[in-house]
Amino acid sequence: EAGVVQSPRYKIIEKKQPVAFWCNPISGHNTLYWYRQNLGQGPELLIRYENEEAVDDSQLPKDRFSAERLKGVDSTLKIQPAELGDSAVYLCASSAAGTSGNEQFFGPGTRLTVL
Amino acid sequence: SQKIEQNSEALNIQEGKTATLTCNYTNYSPAYLQWYRQDPGRGPVFLLLIRENEKEKRKERLKVTFDTTLKQSLFHITASQPADSATYLCALAGGYNKLIFGAGTRLAVHP
Repeated sequence: EAGVVQSPRYKIIEKKQPVAFWCNPISGHNTLYWYRQNLGQGPELLIRYENEEAVDDSQLPKDRFSAERLKGVDSTLKIQPAELGDSAVYLCASSAAGTSGNEQFFGPGTRLTVL
Repeated sequence: SQKIEQNSEALNIQEGKTATLTCNYTNYSPAYLQWYRQDPGRGPVFLLLIRENEKEKRKERLKVTFDTTLKQSLFHITASQPADSATYLCALAGGYNKLIFGAGTRLAVHP
């Protein structure tokens, strides 16, 4: 069974440019998460989807970040415009529906460098 | 404010010994706690979950304890191997299907 797929794996952009990350979760997983991980830190949740609905986006900087999960399957996270402080690894994860506490399956992440 | 603390310094141990990693938290009352392993350049991988009404959980060479009075979880790897070298992340339930991660502890197992 394929795991969580993310692309691109690496992205280098100049500040003020836009950037987009794509995630395809494990087939059948209703819940999709986007995290940001800064160097030496743990992942920090940006947004959580249940099917196509964003149920927790309290940590998403909405002035420059946006996300969508059309049809409740794959998802895109966008930053426009990017700032130097956005340099980090962006992780996508998914989990199955059911009881709270289901393990989350993470993709390899996209390493973003903003110059 | 809410806080999760894991050993910030790397833990270095000899092969065959037991590694013990600590996760302390304040101002939380998590319903469960999870431990993940993360290798360089990869996403975290789930290892174990322990719920608030459980004291201990085991899986092969791994053991997790959860003390809600001390607000602490201990993660043990027995008979450690160089292949166990990685960063280990503790994550608390911050709500339904919401995890709050610690910064992780880097473990290095030397032959």
